[in-house]
Amino acid sequence: GQQVMQIPQYQHVQEGEDFTTYCNSSTTLSNIQWYKQRPGGHPVFLIQLVKSGEVKKQKRLTFQFGEAKKNSSLHITATQTTDVGTYFCADSGGTSYGKLTFGQGTILTVHP
Amino acid sequence: NAGVTQTPKFQVLKTGQSMTLQCAQDMNHEYMSWYRQDPGMGLRLIHYSVGAGITDQGEVPNGYNVSRSTTEDFPLRLLSAAPSQTSVYFCASSYQEGRPQHFGDGTRLSIL
Repeated sequence: GQQVMQIPQYQHVQEGEDFTTYCNSSTTLSNIQWYKQRPGGHPVFLIQLVKSGEVKKQKRLTFQFGEAKKNSSLHITATQTTDVGTYFCADSGGTSYGKLTFGQGTILTVHP
Repeated sequence: NAGVTQTPKFQVLKTGQSMTLQCAQDMNHEYMSWYRQDPGMGLRLIHYSVGAGITDQGEVPNGYNVSRSTTEDFPLRLLSAAPSQTSVYFCASSYQEGRPQHFGDGTRLSIL
């Protein structure tokens, strides 16, 4: 079935450094959703990307969808301690439309 | 609005016991789903429902049953608990398949 690979699995940064997580698939992604899960919490929806080459921004967060729709990325500029958590990408398409397939997640630690 | 409510928050079971994890949403969402979250494996879909009376299997359905008699409720039943079912379980809902999902706070389940 559809597989979504997310890298890196862990990322440790100093506060103020930038952070990027990547989401890749060997097949074309239908659309990508990004979620954030704080430690001990539940996933919270951040954004959805649908169009090839799409770029969306939310304050310090920049989300991109690849031209071939086989990859996506989330970039955080100047991390803060409040950015700590696990970031997941999820594809909601392919052969099983509507069923989200999640990547393994990237655990971000921010050192003050 | 309470959103998605899961009960209980924590549960310890013995191998072979059965139990039901409760999930209710007050947003009149048609689509509801159950995920399990294990370290390093992201969120994996167990079962989902596109409306009252309609359910289907996800990626890891074995050992679990669901039913959807009302729009609001989507309980998950463990028929005979096994240690491999130790996990964090999340219920989620959205107004339509493929749309951003709203997650409950999760149930942390340990099987001894």
